[in-house]
Amino acid sequence: QQQVKQSPQSLIVQKGGIPIINCAYENTAFDYFPWYQQFPGKGPALLIAIRPDVSEKKEGRFTISFNKSAKQFSLHIMDSQPGDSATYFCAAKAAGNKLTFGGGTRVLVKP
Amino acid sequence: GAGVSQSPSNKVTEKGKDVELRCDPISGHTALYWYRQSLGQGLEFLIYFQGNSAPDKSGLPSDRFSAERTGGSVSTLTIQRTQQEDSAVYLCASRGANNEQFFGPGTRLTVL
Repeated sequence: QQQVKQSPQSLIVQKGGIPIINCAYENTAFDYFPWYQQFPGKGPALLIAIRPDVSEKKEGRFTISFNKSAKQFSLHIMDSQPGDSATYFCAAKAAGNKLTFGGGTRVLVKP
Repeated sequence: GAGVSQSPSNKVTEKGKDVELRCDPISGHTALYWYRQSLGQGLEFLIYFQGNSAPDKSGLPSDRFSAERTGGSVSTLTIQRTQQEDSAVYLCASRGANNEQFFGPGTRLTVL
């Protein structure tokens, strides 16, 4: 009930391509869905977040799409750059402010 | 400091020894979290402190793990009688008035 399933585990795109990372959840009590970006040797950093009353949110080149009925959400990285190469984690929060994380997606953007 | 800091950055210990990991949250943040990240895996919630309330310990994997937060600021995660499966990166995060959790750089623990 608390799981967040993330796919794919890894992704390779050419510069300018659009990596898409998908997450699915079961717990309908989740009310906040952040995405984190993590570079090697660093802690995760919040990238963008969405609430279930919104179907899409854009911040710069990052877009979250949210499908409440399907209990799925995804991250799109538009015009990807080599500097976007990192591991991306989706997460979900229910009451108590604990985050449940997906397993992560390692993204490599080739020049 | 401007962000969450953790110490040490790396810790190598022998199986059976106790270790203490420290977290300094962002000043003024009332909530503090500990997570564990095993190699190539996602983050696993361990424990959560909110103000003066009793901590949520529901994620601690065994009674060898404990944490405290003194004076509503610095937190220490203690692992007693370490085992090889305890090897991981231990991440601390603090949260202010909104929902955003700010993570520290983590402590990489290696149990030989």
